Amino acid sequence: QSVLTQPPSVSGAPGQRVTISCTGSSSNIGAGYDIHWYQQLPGTAPKLLIYGNNNRPSGVPDRFSGSKSGTSASLAITGLQPEDEADYYCQSYDISLSVLFGTGTKVTVL
Amino acid sequence: EVQLVQSGAEVKKPGESLKISCKGSGYSFTTYWIGWVRQMPGKGLEWMGIIYPDDTDTRYSPAFQGQVTISADKSRSTAYLQWNSLKASDTAIYYCARHSFWSSYYPDYWGQGTLVTVSS
Repeated sequence: QSVLTQPPSVSGAPGQRVTISCTGSSSNIGAGYDIHWYQQLPGTAPKLLIYGNNNRPSGVPDRFSGSKSGTSASLAITGLQPEDEADYYCQSYDISLSVLFGTGTKVTVL
Repeated sequence: EVQLVQSGAEVKKPGESLKISCKGSGYSFTTYWIGWVRQMPGKGLEWMGIIYPDDTDTRYSPAFQGQVTISADKSRSTAYLQWNSLKASDTAIYYCARHSFWSSYYPDYWGQGTLVTVSS
């Protein structure tokens, strides 16, 4: 079964830069499918953060950015804020004809 | 403003049936795929499937094929997720989500979630 693997947790002090990796395979990211990222604040529904690898929907601060290379992708948060403490998920598509979510990463602001 | 409003929390017994709903507004309901995502307690997101309301073309994740039924009523701008026989392992929050397309489908707007609890 295809999986998008993320680190379980990352942490940083306010103002620091943190990155979250998302590792896939030749059947999803490596097959050319784009990556999207979601933020899930505690007790709330997920929210689209980045679409099409590196595009921000209206209203998403520019401290969030995404990139993709080969079979992996990453989300960067520059100038970490206390309100960024949340779970983050990457998402792509697999040739098994299914949308795939990453395993999720909890970001802690120290 | 795009809004997806889901039906309220449910408490059911194993073996019972259930149908939860998701009403879309603020966009053309028939021209976007709409689907469902499961989140079990303390766990990550799992994509279940999507439906195109205009012609009811439906795609399921292999993991959920045969386990649930996704449907839509375009006259009511409402999508549904249905179980014929619930199990305790179906206990989760279920989110509906409108899907857009950028090389593949991706959820761009989400409902508030429906908590389904299955317990004897």
